[in-house]
Parts: sequence; structure tokens; C-alpha cells
Amino acid sequence: DGGITQSPKYLFRKEGQNVTLSCEQNLNHDAMYWYRQDPGQGLRLIYYSQIVNDFQKGDIAEGYSVSREKKESFPLTVTSAQKNPTAFYLCASSSIAGGRNEQFFGPGTRLTVL
Amino acid sequence: RKEVEQDPGPFNVPEGATVAFNCTYSNSASQSFFWYRQDCRKEPKLLMSVYSSGNEDGRFTAQLNRASQYISLLIRDSKLSDSATYLCVVILTGGGNKLTFGTGTQLKVEL
Repeated sequence: DGGITQSPKYLFRKEGQNVTLSCEQNLNHDAMYWYRQDPGQGLRLIYYSQIVNDFQKGDIAEGYSVSREKKESFPLTVTSAQKNPTAFYLCASSSIAGGRNEQFFGPGTRLTVL
Repeated sequence: RKEVEQDPGPFNVPEGATVAFNCTYSNSASQSFFWYRQDCRKEPKLLMSVYSSGNEDGRFTAQLNRASQYISLLIRDSKLSDSATYLCVVILTGGGNKLTFGTGTQLKVEL
């Protein structure tokens, strides 16, 4: 089955710890994205990547880091510098070719900082 | 002013009703528009793209009004399973294909 997978589904972390969220896609999409969603707010873009070994900051990149070593994978690290990391994290991917631009989302990871 | 604005609702409607949502966007250079559906504690799923000429998919109709900078979603003969939050999404071409999301409109379809 083609799709986007994220793991883990739920994650608990102590304050001061870094944690890495996984995102994998087998859709052969060039672009991948990370968003966070907080109650009562729209999704906000953290980082995105349109090609392997290249990525750009989104609107709320502070306290996060990413890598894009493979086309299929775009892991997100939530560092201890992120002041309010408890949120629902969503990974998405899209095909840049053809100008369609639709993004497809993984099932998300709920991160809770204790 | 928010880039994408939606009425948060909730819209409580009886089964079989027709319901319409509007969404306004602030940047006139916005080029691509979508409606996504999000169920409680789940990921957003693409419902439909919105084209300039308007488009229909079964019970769902989407329209774009560039002059007034809004898009709309019409749901006819609503079902219990339509209960969800509907997210309006806008892409500004040339901005790295970044989506800008509205906060969503909650729909509750009741017996």
C-alpha cells in the first residue's frame, strides 16, 4: 500500500530531552513537510523539503531540526529548546510535478512533554 | 487579519440538510485552493481541490470567487458521517508550495 507513515503514534517525553519523530513515504513524492497542530489553531508549518539534502524553515522552526538524507524519509527532531512542544505533529508529502500541489498527510504523532 | 479565515462553528444540522461553509483569504496572489476534512484526533484528508470554474464531487460542491477572495463548500443531503471539521487551505504559488490552513469549521450532523 502506498502512503505516509509516522511513528510513534503517541510519545511522552520529559522536559529537557530531545526526541525524533519519524516520517516515511512510499509515494515517490519530492516534497515533504512537517506541521504542528494545537487546539483551536490551524496547522502551522515547521519545516519543508522539496529535494533530498535540502530543506527550508517554515513559520515556526525554532526549537526543531530536520534532515532529508533520503527521498522517502524526513525525520523531525524536537529539541529541548522548543518551549512548548506538546502538540499533534503531522507530516505531509506532495508531488511537485504537474502543479497539482495537493498534500497528503500521515496519521500524526501526539507528543506530550511531562 | 488572518491569512485564511473560517467560521469555527459548530454547525449543528439535521441529517439530509444542505449546509454551506465560506472561507476568506487575504492574499490576492493565492493560486491553489483546497478543502480538507479532519476527523477528531485524526490527520486531515483531502476532500477536494477548488477550481476557478467551480467543481462538484457527488454531494459536495466547491466554488472560488477571486474577486471577493473567498471559497465555499456546499454539502447536500448531509449524512451523519459528514460530521467532522472542514479545513480551508490556500497555497501561494512560488512560496515553496506551502499550505496555509484555516482553523476549520466544525460540522455536526444529527438525527
